[in-house]
Amino acid sequence: AQSVTQPDIHITVSEGASLELRCNYSYGATPYLFWYVQSPGQGLQLLLKYFSGDTLVQGIKGFEAEFKRSQSSFNLRKPSVHWSDAAEYFCAVGAAAAGNKLTFGGGTRVLVKP
Amino acid sequence: ETGVTQSPTHLIKTRGQQVTLRCSSQSGHNTVSWYQQALGQGPQFIFQYYREEENGRGNFPPRFSGLQFPNYSSELNVNALELDDSALYLCASSGIGDFSYEQYFGPGTRLTVT
Repeated sequence: AQSVTQPDIHITVSEGASLELRCNYSYGATPYLFWYVQSPGQGLQLLLKYFSGDTLVQGIKGFEAEFKRSQSSFNLRKPSVHWSDAAEYFCAVGAAAAGNKLTFGGGTRVLVKP
Repeated sequence: ETGVTQSPTHLIKTRGQQVTLRCSSQSGHNTVSWYQQALGQGPQFIFQYYREEENGRGNFPPRFSGLQFPNYSSELNVNALELDDSALYLCASSGIGDFSYEQYFGPGTRLTVT
């Protein structure tokens, strides 16, 4: 069975500083990996995805993520954080063998200081 | 192109009652997945519907059931509500082929069981 771990429950960053959110997954085959963002009281918005190919993927809102198979990681980064990036971020792994269900991590809440 | 919509937005029910939540998939998408997100946690997969049949189920009891209609919209039914069923219920739709792993979420239905 697949699993996702997001080691950081909360992260506080200053506006303009860089941001890195950690994600580690467990899956027996090549994973499909996703990052979603959730603003308070809202649904999930897809930031970016990795299916295959280039291990550095670009997403919306200036985010990027790097797939490292040797470390079973898919960390999310942004060079310069804006106040509007304050939200909860979820990493997820997709499993074709299980009806394409997504397994999510517990999330990382990002607070942005002015 | 319309996104995923869900109704109602909020719902309050009493323990033991039954509830039906509704979801309209994004235009062009034929697969609908349902997730439960308890407060402070990541979403958990309930089940997925494809071509009006269940196509994968998570670790949820049979009192959680669903339907998919010919227009690809879907319902989630929960019988004999328990206090622990209080959560945000998210619907996600996805397309076919290589894009079937990209799931797009609706805003959710907040269910409170008292």
